[in-house]
Amino acid sequence: GAVVSQHPSRVICKSGTSVKIECRSLDFQATTMFWYRQFPKQSLMLMATSNEGSKATYEQGVEKDKFLINHASLTLSTLTVTSAHPEDSSFYICSAERGTEAFFGQGTRLTVV
Amino acid sequence: GQSLEQPSEVTAVEGAIVQINCTYQTSGFYGLSWYQQHDGGAPTFLSYNALDGLEETGRFSSFLSRSDSYGYLLLQELQMKDSASYFCAVRGNQGGKLIFGQGTELSVKP
Repeated sequence: GAVVSQHPSRVICKSGTSVKIECRSLDFQATTMFWYRQFPKQSLMLMATSNEGSKATYEQGVEKDKFLINHASLTLSTLTVTSAHPEDSSFYICSAERGTEAFFGQGTRLTVV
Repeated sequence: GQSLEQPSEVTAVEGAIVQINCTYQTSGFYGLSWYQQHDGGAPTFLSYNALDGLEETGRFSSFLSRSDSYGYLLLQELQMKDSASYFCAVRGNQGGKLIFGQGTELSVKP
């Protein structure tokens, strides 16, 4: 099956710093990628839709200036959590879709201290 | 808008059969999917139903009834490794983004 690679898998950062998370589709081109956030024992909440070559579409309540998304190529989307705070600590997961199937990255466990 | 309901927890024993139900409300329907997620891992695709009926893939089957806005995931011959969270998901308007249910945590006991 298709592979989506996400990096890093874990990151610990100080409050006020920024963290960049990369999501790559390894064997197919993805004009659209999706970024989710997941709290323990909860569902995947869609944060934004990343569109290659254009602006991302953010879900209601998600601050676009805090969660910067760049989708500069057909195989790479990045999510930057700017000026991170402890409440941003979470599990972030990206996905790319081929047909009706979504392929997810391994997820990034972000801890802001 | 879209919403999905599924049980929060299910417990079963090895070798048993378990059914996880999912009811949904959508404006437009573009198929029901099921994903498995082990603790700390990424969700993985299990099945997709666009039409009514049963789809079988090995030990896992998925059923859809569009008239009832209902589907289920059936897991047979349960194994310990099946302990995970299972999410149903539907497409949003015009077949766009995936909307996930809250997830069902399945615990398989010896």
